[in-house]
Amino acid sequence: EAGVAQSPRYKIIEKRQSVAFWCNPISGHATLYWYQQILGQGPKLLIQFQNNGVVDDSQLPKDRFSAERLKGVDSTLKIQPAKLEDSAVYLCASSWDRGVSEAFFGQGTRLTVV
Amino acid sequence: GNSVTQMEGPVTLSEEAFLTINCTYTATGYPSLFWYVQYPGEGLQLLLKATKADDKGSNKGFEATYRKETTSFHLEKGSVQVSDSAVYFCALSGTGANNLFFGTGTRLTVIP
Repeated sequence: EAGVAQSPRYKIIEKRQSVAFWCNPISGHATLYWYQQILGQGPKLLIQFQNNGVVDDSQLPKDRFSAERLKGVDSTLKIQPAKLEDSAVYLCASSWDRGVSEAFFGQGTRLTVV
Repeated sequence: GNSVTQMEGPVTLSEEAFLTINCTYTATGYPSLFWYVQYPGEGLQLLLKATKADDKGSNKGFEATYRKETTSFHLEKGSVQVSDSAVYFCALSGTGANNLFFGTGTRLTVIP
């Protein structure tokens, strides 16, 4: 079966610019997660969707980050405006249900803000 | 709160050496514990898990035992191979939670 697809793989932007990441989860997976992984740290959950509804966005910096999952399938994560400290790998993961232990991760998007 | 403390790396071993990567945790209730692995150029993959005390998770020759008395979940392998070179993450999911709390990761390099 196809895995979790993310694009782009790499992105370099200047601070104060905006950027968007895209994720296509495994077909049929109801739950979708976005994680931020800063260099040298473990992944940190930004937002979790169940179908097209938000389950947990408590760690999402809502003044600059937004995410949506239209029709309960693909998802986009946006940063506007970007800051230097947003440089990280953004990971998307999906699972059949809210059992996060069976989540499958994409390869991630490496963002560099200069 | 929930947190994971993981052995710092990097770790470099010769092929067929014994591997231990330490992981300790802090959690309320009865968390589930996991080891994820990230091979070069690939996404995170679940390596093994344990959902209750004294459970042993195992996969691909790796093992980890859920020790509630020492709040630990150390990863072990008796004989590593070059193909085991990767970054290993310890993680926990708290009682009733759906979020994974990750450690900082340990980079393992196995040399022939």
